[in-house]
Amino acid sequence: AQKITQTQPGMFVQEKEAVTLDCTYDTSDQSYGLFWYKQPSSGEMIFLIYQGSYDEQNATEGRYSLNFQKARKSANLVISASQLGDSAMYFCAMREGVGRSNQFYFGTGTSLTVIP
Amino acid sequence: KAGVTQTPRYLIKTRGQQVTLSCSPISGHRSVSWYQQTPGQGLQFLFEYFSETQRNKGNFPGRFSGRQFSNSRSEMNVSTLELGDSALYLCASSLNNEQFFGPGTRLTVL
Repeated sequence: AQKITQTQPGMFVQEKEAVTLDCTYDTSDQSYGLFWYKQPSSGEMIFLIYQGSYDEQNATEGRYSLNFQKARKSANLVISASQLGDSAMYFCAMREGVGRSNQFYFGTGTSLTVIP
Repeated sequence: KAGVTQTPRYLIKTRGQQVTLSCSPISGHRSVSWYQQTPGQGLQFLFEYFSETQRNKGNFPGRFSGRQFSNSRSEMNVSTLELGDSALYLCASSLNNEQFFGPGTRLTVL
């Protein structure tokens, strides 16, 4: 089974609107971390936001927030007030075995296009 | 604080050759991981080094190897290159709940 599933290969959003990128995960570990990265066409992976499995509050970082629903095993990324510079690939990732490993499992990514 | 650096940024090799890629992590980060990214397979974990020891290894053939030095810098080596090794190779350094990536090395095998 896939550890991370991103079901939206491509998404479009109007500038200044909000957009939600979906991510579901599969793990039997109690302690894990969920991450979102942005990859522009330049190729560099840019860290956006982190959510720990024991965190009760949803993580937020500026215009990014993570909608964490533990029972559903979902960790959707919400980008508010989209900007043209948000056009990129977005990857959801999970790390199991916190403290024992930094092996990340990545989803296949969602290509986001922001329309002026 | 300087980010993760990778050298070289671009590399062109021919089949059968070998290649060494270098990664310098963020100061204070002891864990370095390597990933291969291709359009067909996405991001795949190669291996992780922590305090000069390989802590985890992905499902890649033995042609892919790595090491980490006492200053946490890491190198990755691919021997007997194949066309399918053409990819973006990303290095990441980690501390606690943060993992930051370098700009990557784009390897083309002809």
